[in-house]
Amino acid sequence: SAVISQKPSRDICQRGTSLTIQCQVDSQVTMMFWYRQQPGQSLTLIATANQGSEATYESGFVIDKFPISRPNLTFSTLTVSNMSPEDSSIYLCSVEGTGTTSTDTQYFGPGTRLTVL
Amino acid sequence: SQQGEEDPQALSIQEGENATMNCSYKTSINNLQWYRQNSGRGLVHLILIRSNEREKHSGRLRVTLDTSKKSSSLLITASRAADTASYFCATAIDNQAGTALIFGKGTTLSVSS
Repeated sequence: SAVISQKPSRDICQRGTSLTIQCQVDSQVTMMFWYRQQPGQSLTLIATANQGSEATYESGFVIDKFPISRPNLTFSTLTVSNMSPEDSSIYLCSVEGTGTTSTDTQYFGPGTRLTVL
Repeated sequence: SQQGEEDPQALSIQEGENATMNCSYKTSINNLQWYRQNSGRGLVHLILIRSNEREKHSGRLRVTLDTSKKSSSLLITASRAADTASYFCATAIDNQAGTALIFGKGTTLSVSS
């Protein structure tokens, strides 16, 4: 399994501002994923980030709103831009497998709880 | 769009009883996974069952998969108060980026002592 940390663990932000969430993995991984969990809801995949290429976004999510960086095999950031109260959610990153060989199981970080006022 | 649908949405039982949660999905899958989430924290992977498997065990957990009915069940035997959490099924499907997990709405399990 992989050990994943996220920063910040929680934040309260004003509408119109942006927040960058960091995700750090203790081993090199090929694919990293970003999910959103709105209050009382399930997880929805935002995008998949591979190192060295543009992130692939799911329907309903766009790069201008959720820019993602993936500078190396152990780190990724997700920025929530021009925030509104509807962006209040838990944002989770996950990784698939360990090393450069992907496995089917995804391991999740502890999440970042974002509240937008 | 959500792939999996769990039922029940909420389940309350006493310690020692068994808890069964069901999950249905819509499209072909590579595998199906069950996760647990405590109080809005990160998800903990419980068990993975591949599309060519029918049943899998891990400790007090038993998972079944019926690909003809596009359904799966998670059984927790001899439940404990510490099992109180939300449980999600997630189906692995191929998308343009590789493999994506599509999560169901989840079942909230409450185990009272």
